[in-house]
Amino acid sequence: QVQLVESGGGVVQPGGSLRLSCAASGLTFSNFGMHWVRQAPGEGLEWVAFIQFAGTESDKYYADSVKGRFTISRDNSKNTLYLQMNSLRAEDTAVYYCAKDQPNSGWSIDYWGQGTLVAVSS
Amino acid sequence: QSALTQPPSASGSPGQSVTISCTGAGSDVGAYNYVSWYQQYPGKAPRLMIYEVSKRPSGVPNRFSGSKSGNTASLTVSGLQAEDEADYYCSSFAGIDNFILFGGGTKLTVL
Repeated sequence: QVQLVESGGGVVQPGGSLRLSCAASGLTFSNFGMHWVRQAPGEGLEWVAFIQFAGTESDKYYADSVKGRFTISRDNSKNTLYLQMNSLRAEDTAVYYCAKDQPNSGWSIDYWGQGTLVAVSS
Repeated sequence: QSALTQPPSASGSPGQSVTISCTGAGSDVGAYNYVSWYQQYPGKAPRLMIYEVSKRPSGVPNRFSGSKSGNTASLTVSGLQAEDEADYYCSSFAGIDNFILFGGGTKLTVL
């Protein structure tokens, strides 16, 4: 079955950087678009970024709140999705979910990881 | 771009039906039939319940149904069961500039 396992979360100071990873198994990773979605403590879901299966720059999309600071990428040879987060702010504190796009379904998400917590604090 | 608007809470008794609304704009919910609904239990990852306004993934009970009228989408849960008590989020494709918007979430309580 499909498994998505995030790692790389932790505590970081404002202005710092962090790179999240998501190891995918149980699927042909290179065939699917992938998302990052976050959820601040006690808050709702917020879409962060999407990368199409090829992973070229034109295949990447970002929420306005992270544009220019976060970079989504993927290594299809390693079945791994990444999120490079720079210039982190307190408002970036959240559980970050790696999630698989359901093809031809209006960008719905059919599989989610368990999430990794990022806390931005001095 | 603002998030989609959902009521913060909804409730119903076992066996009853409850409908949760999700209001967007003509550039997102109103423009595309790409509304999804997710169920989330506390401390757990979300689960896809409805996609493309009204389609159910395999394994989702047919008690869950979706619809859309203009800029507002709705999720209806019929024959409420205790296990339906959870948070529900809508999402919509919003074009290439904004891509995906989520609603603020609705906490469904089964009385």
